[in-house]
Amino acid sequence: GAVVSQHPSRVICKSGTSVKIECRSLDFQATTMFWYRQFPKQSLMLMATSNEGSKATYEQGVEKDKFLINHASLTLSTLTVTSAHPEDSSFYICSAPRQGGDGYTFGSGTRLTVV
Amino acid sequence: AQSVTQPDIHITVSEGASLELRCNYSYGATPYLFWYVQSPGQGLQLLLKYFSGDTLVQGIKGFEAEFKRSQSSFNLRKPSVHWSDAAEYFCAVAINAGNMLTFGGGTRLMVKP
Repeated sequence: GAVVSQHPSRVICKSGTSVKIECRSLDFQATTMFWYRQFPKQSLMLMATSNEGSKATYEQGVEKDKFLINHASLTLSTLTVTSAHPEDSSFYICSAPRQGGDGYTFGSGTRLTVV
Repeated sequence: AQSVTQPDIHITVSEGASLELRCNYSYGATPYLFWYVQSPGQGLQLLLKYFSGDTLVQGIKGFEAEFKRSQSSFNLRKPSVHWSDAAEYFCAVAINAGNMLTFGGGTRLMVKP
């Protein structure tokens, strides 16, 4: 149980275009979703926290107008990278707290390459 | 704010040898502690976690970790490493269940035949 499905797993886009990444909680309601970014050979850094029905909270240095997060339902959170540039190329991964405080469920990640 | 340090960026061990990966955290109270493993290009897999209770926790794949409050550490151990254990290992902490995770910088494990 407690599965988060993340799509797409890989995406290549042209510079200046937008890309949407979806994370769906399949068998539980995710009121909170954490979005992390991982550059090659680096650790995961929290970008933002989304809560169902409210505005996302962004970490310092993360442009909220560039990384649009929507959490309109209890089972879907989306991250849209707008006007993508090569420096946005990274591994993006979402994570939801498990119900009952038993840890976290991670999506499988999205490898974004901007050319 | 909490922070996590993994002092070893790379570790190489021979197959069959024992392994210890270090993790130190900075936080005023006992946080929730996790170890994850990540294979190249893949997502994260939980190895084990500590919330409270017995300070020696057992995980999957023969891994264990010991929480030492006095040293603010949560080191990961395995008595005999297999070639398939080669991967990146991340220690992570959360101040409460449901709060954001803060990850250490990771330790890349290489296994020699």
